[in-house]
Amino acid sequence: SQTIHQWPATLVQPVGSPLSLECTVEGTSNPNLYWYRQAAGRGLQLLFYSVGIGQISSEVPQNLSASRPQDRQFILSSKKLLLSDSGFYLCAWSSLLARSSYEQYFGPGTRLTVT
Amino acid sequence: AQSVTQLGSHVSVSEGALVLLRCNYSSSVPPYLFWYVQYPNQGLQLLLKYTSAATLVKGINGFEAEFKKSETSFHLTKPSAHMSDAAEYFCAVSGLTGGGNKLTFGTGTQLKVEL
Repeated sequence: SQTIHQWPATLVQPVGSPLSLECTVEGTSNPNLYWYRQAAGRGLQLLFYSVGIGQISSEVPQNLSASRPQDRQFILSSKKLLLSDSGFYLCAWSSLLARSSYEQYFGPGTRLTVT
Repeated sequence: AQSVTQLGSHVSVSEGALVLLRCNYSSSVPPYLFWYVQYPNQGLQLLLKYTSAATLVKGINGFEAEFKKSETSFHLTKPSAHMSDAAEYFCAVSGLTGGGNKLTFGTGTQLKVEL
């Protein structure tokens, strides 16, 4: 069966510090991968998605970036965090199979607090 | 383009009462529709999905949803609420437009279950 991992689970970082969040998927190949952010009291905002190694699409211009160095690894980064980067970050995957109904499966999330 | 509207950001029911969470969608192509549940500080879990087969879809934890094309609705119901159903619920639509199988999420409905 497929599983998705995210780490760290929680993170407290000062303004201006760098960020690296990691997501890995097991039990599937060539998944689509996604990064979302949930700010307090708000819905899900799609940040980035990837259909393959090195292929990243950005949905929202910001000081965050994403990379996909391996098929099942997705990394969210920032060089300098802002207070507004605080939130709950979720990684998700979906299947590229032709008969897939394109549902996404989510990881446990990372709670980021920028102080 | 696709969009989802969830009516009621907060819904409160008594334990044992009917749960009804509303979702209306807009899609330029035949939609795939989903309901997800999120417990505090956790990722989203797929409750059920509509993929153009049966219009009444049964999911986990006793939830079901009915696709009504004429009303562009996909409301989530459960005959008898349980305390453990207290969570946030998200409706989502996939328009199969390619580009990574993106989902468009509603803003969520917080369900409270009272004794």
